[in-house]
Amino acid sequence: KQEVTQIPAALSVPEGENLVLNCSFTDSAIYNLQWFRQDPGKGLTSLLLIQSSQREQTSGRLNASLDKSSGRSTLYIAASQPGDSAIYLCAAPWAGNMLTFGGGTRLMVKP
Amino acid sequence: EAQVTQNPRYLITVTGKKLTVTCSQNMNHEYMSWYRQDPGLGLRQIYYSMNVEVTDKGDVPEGYKVSRKEKRNFPLILESPSPNQTSLYFCASSFRVQETQYFGPGTRLLVL
Repeated sequence: KQEVTQIPAALSVPEGENLVLNCSFTDSAIYNLQWFRQDPGKGLTSLLLIQSSQREQTSGRLNASLDKSSGRSTLYIAASQPGDSAIYLCAAPWAGNMLTFGGGTRLMVKP
Repeated sequence: EAQVTQNPRYLITVTGKKLTVTCSQNMNHEYMSWYRQDPGLGLRQIYYSMNVEVTDKGDVPEGYKVSRKEKRNFPLILESPSPNQTSLYFCASSFRVQETQYFGPGTRLLVL
């Protein structure tokens, strides 16, 4: 069974700082890895999807990397802003058709 | 507008009273799934569906039923709800599980 872990569980940084969120998974035979953002009281919004054949994906100030051999993915947020405060989740498909989520990292960016 | 809708958004019920949470998507997605989110346990998959009339269990299917009679709809049925099913429920859809997932806004359920 795929297990997905996110460290740290919570992170507080001052505005403007660059930061890295970590995601590790146990089964390296993944199709892809997805990063999501969840705002309080709302659903999840997809941020980035990295295919298993890719090493990186970028969207604006966000950059996600994938290292299948080590079972790790990172989400890099450049020049953080208070509006980036949210819960960030990673997820990996497994057993062909199921999706397993990490526990999330709660990010607080202080003005 | 491409979206996944869930109804109701909030529901308070009593133990044993059957309820249905609806989920609908307008993106012609084949893959749909239900999750529950609990503090300390994260998001866990309840059921998923690869296409019409094709459903399968996720990690935590006990106490739940689903059906997929039409491509756009994937209702979650709790035939005899219990307090341990109090949770935040999300529906999601995509063309395939390997592609970007689109989530509904969530349904907060309280079972007394």
